[in-house]
Amino acid sequence: DQQVKQNSPSLSVQEGRISILNCDYTNSMFDYFLWYKKYPAEGPTFLISISSIKDKNEDGRFTVFLNKSAKHLSLHIVPSQPGDSAVYFCAASGDNNNDMRFGAGTRLTVKP
Amino acid sequence: NAGVTQTPKFQVLKTGQSMTLQCAQDMNHNSMYWYRQDPGMGLRLIYYSASEGTTDKGEVPNGYNVSRLNKREFSLRLESAAPSQTSVYFCASRVQGAFTEAFFGQGTRLTVV
Repeated sequence: DQQVKQNSPSLSVQEGRISILNCDYTNSMFDYFLWYKKYPAEGPTFLISISSIKDKNEDGRFTVFLNKSAKHLSLHIVPSQPGDSAVYFCAASGDNNNDMRFGAGTRLTVKP
Repeated sequence: NAGVTQTPKFQVLKTGQSMTLQCAQDMNHNSMYWYRQDPGMGLRLIYYSASEGTTDKGEVPNGYNVSRLNKREFSLRLESAAPSQTSVYFCASRVQGAFTEAFFGQGTRLTVV
């Protein structure tokens, strides 16, 4: 049973526009959420995170929003750039254990 | 600064053969993880080790064993490889605790024929 879900396998946006990637989770014990970016033939790299005590965290062009009541988070990229084209994974972790669960990923394509 | 190093990078096995995937980190992290990545399935947790001397099953542990050799090294063993274990395997590490990010190795692409 997948506890972290990314229901959109792919997303295509125009350069300069906003990219919104979504993630849902089922385990209410999760209290730390992360986004990773992955290029082909490389390992995932950390992008941005948010703890459950916040509803927003911003880092440059990247903002993550958390809606705990809906068990939903989203990653906003503004403005999108062609170099942002990659697979984005949502991940979640809980303080009561030490594992970290990932979603299936969303492939973002930013067109010039 | 090497970070997380996985060996080998590529491997082809015949069904029934065994092999060990090696992972080492030089960041003094307590926790280490093994994931597999399959198309449409994302990253699925196989086993993890919260700290030296402990290991726990993740989502898909069947067919695998692990050894936390010391703080730096965490190996994944396939005793009798099956075609269903064809995948890309990633090792990761992080400081112990939930509120930290994990760092990943470059991956091992394993094909079982």
